[in-house]
Amino acid sequence: EIVLTQSPATLPVSPGERATLSCRASQSVSSNLAWYQQKPGQAPRLLIYGASARATGIPARFSGSGSGTEFTLTISSLQSEDFAVYYCQHYNKWPPFTFGPGTKVDIK
Amino acid sequence: EVQLVQSGAEVKKPGESLKISCKGSGYSFTTYWIGWVRQMPGKGLEWMGIIYPGDSNTRYSPSFQGQVTISADKSISTAYLQWSSLRASDTAMYYCARCVATNDYSFDYWGQGTPVIVSS
Repeated sequence: EIVLTQSPATLPVSPGERATLSCRASQSVSSNLAWYQQKPGQAPRLLIYGASARATGIPARFSGSGSGTEFTLTISSLQSEDFAVYYCQHYNKWPPFTFGPGTKVDIK
Repeated sequence: EVQLVQSGAEVKKPGESLKISCKGSGYSFTTYWIGWVRQMPGKGLEWMGIIYPGDSNTRYSPSFQGQVTISADKSISTAYLQWSSLRASDTAMYYCARCVATNDYSFDYWGQGTPVIVSS
């Protein structure tokens, strides 16, 4: 089973600043990685799939990069509505297609 | 418009059985994988398994294999998650979600979630 680790666990950021979130896989997942945003009381929302493709309706300030075992989600200029928990998920080859433990983006 | 509508909240006792549902609309239900995700109170997301409604091909996480059953009725565009004997540790929010494509297992559309409380 592929294990995903995310860092940092909590990321304090001021509005307007850039946020960089990391996701590392225990073995290569090629580009089969997605990022989700979850706000309290809401279902997760797909932001990025295929490591770098933005999902429908996702603002351009969200971008994903990486391949193999190292991935990054960047929020170029944090808006108030971006404070949330972010999860990565791999879906390489065979299940289980595990999620990472999440990074909480907090107001600094 | 793609929608996944889940059944309502459940309160059950340990040992009871339960089947929750997820009805898809606005797309071809039989040609997209549907998955189930658990979120225990205050915790992260756990991938449980997926089903392809077109042929009922099902894949489980080893953590949930034998603990739950995932099924689908394509005639009514509905996927199910069921337990034969609930435990208190099954208390969680359960989400269904649709996979992006046949060969892309990320989840692009999500249900609203079904809270399940198991308590004596």
